[in-house]
Amino acid sequence: DTGVSQDPRHKITKRGQNVTFRCDPISEHNRLYWYRQTLGQGPEFLTYFQNEAQLEKSRLLSDRFSAERPKGSFSTLEIQRTEQGDSAMYLCASSLVGGRSGNQPQHFGDGTRLSIL
Amino acid sequence: DAKTTQPPSMDCAEGRAANLPCNHSTISGNEYVYWYRQIHSQGPQYIIHGLKNNETNEMASLIITEDRKSSTLILPHATLRDTAVYYCIRFPGGYNKLIFGAGTRLAVHP
Repeated sequence: DTGVSQDPRHKITKRGQNVTFRCDPISEHNRLYWYRQTLGQGPEFLTYFQNEAQLEKSRLLSDRFSAERPKGSFSTLEIQRTEQGDSAMYLCASSLVGGRSGNQPQHFGDGTRLSIL
Repeated sequence: DAKTTQPPSMDCAEGRAANLPCNHSTISGNEYVYWYRQIHSQGPQYIIHGLKNNETNEMASLIITEDRKSSTLILPHATLRDTAVYYCIRFPGGYNKLIFGAGTRLAVHP
């Protein structure tokens, strides 16, 4: 199965530490998205990339958050100086936009669950 | 603002059809209706989408009213594995972010 892959699946860290998550999208997909989901809520958009360009960032993405997609393939999401409120599931999705196929649906990975102690 | 309205929860007996309603009375002409579901501890799974016409795939059928103000997702023969939160989302063509509401928690019971 060549779906969206996220690593790690779970991360437990102490408040104030930095964490980094990785997302490997479906190989031919040119768009990559990050979402955050807290308990009992639907996912909330954080940011997205078209190839290697980061085209939109949500207000939820504070200065402590940074995302990269250096070669237009995998992406990383880093959170610096983690806080209790960062505890959430971080979801990555990818899609193919444009071309003969038109705009295809976003497909999600199973997320990284972050717990801040 | 998710701009769709779904019942918070529904029950369905295994083997019966599950009909999940969604109200999107202010939908614009270029907005598709997308359905995703999320099984516990997994990421959202794409189910189906449509613009005007009814759609069917191997997972479900999507019925959109003629005025496009509401739609119904139909799981024809629900199984226990269909227990999940189902999200109905308005999505403009060429747009980027999905805006999730609270969804409908579907419980399929034996």
